[in-house]
Amino acid sequence: KAGVTQTPRYLIKTRGQQVTLSCSPISGHRSVSWYQQTPGQGLQFLFEYFSETQRNKGNFPGRFSGRQFSNSRSEMNVSTLELGDSALYLCASKTGDSYNEQFFGPGTRLTVL
Amino acid sequence: AQKVTQAQTEISVVEKEDVTLDCVYETRDTTYYLFWYKQPPSGELVFLIRRNSFDEQNEISGRYSWNFQKSTSSFNFTITASQVVDSAVYFCALSEAPDDKIIFGKGTRLHILP
Repeated sequence: KAGVTQTPRYLIKTRGQQVTLSCSPISGHRSVSWYQQTPGQGLQFLFEYFSETQRNKGNFPGRFSGRQFSNSRSEMNVSTLELGDSALYLCASKTGDSYNEQFFGPGTRLTVL
Repeated sequence: AQKVTQAQTEISVVEKEDVTLDCVYETRDTTYYLFWYKQPPSGELVFLIRRNSFDEQNEISGRYSWNFQKSTSSFNFTITASQVVDSAVYFCALSEAPDDKIIFGKGTRLHILP
């Protein structure tokens, strides 16, 4: 069974631009969560999508948004990029039932110049 | 509010030594879930264990063991006879409901020296 895949793996953008990251969950998983990992703040929860609906949301500004498609693939978008958005963005999927063992992807390393 | 504290930022031990990673959590709920994840240099988080608040039994899995104590709000992780491959960042995490977000601690970077 293929694991969680994230594309692209590396991305370099400049301030003010926007970016879209993609996550394909494990087949059969309906929940996708996104996390931001930085040296200073650690791993912070961004949001979770389940069956195309946002189920949980972290404390991030509205510049961070996401969506989920009918095939459970998810995208997250960051608009008006700031230097502080440089981070490793991790996606995790799970089946969506009560046992929330999440499986993580390798992440997308975003650098904002 | 929920919070996870991993006071040890970085630990170095010599191979074959035992090492314990500390985790202290805060939650107002009586039902919650605790986790440990490992993040090797490749960056991908690897699930190690989940424990719910009603199950205080300690768990052993090979060289890994976990000590859950509700009285001190701690969920510590011990690696016995450490190996170089155990070098990684280890995260303790908390969720207040099966479908709730998972809150991570800042992580402990573990160096196993040959």
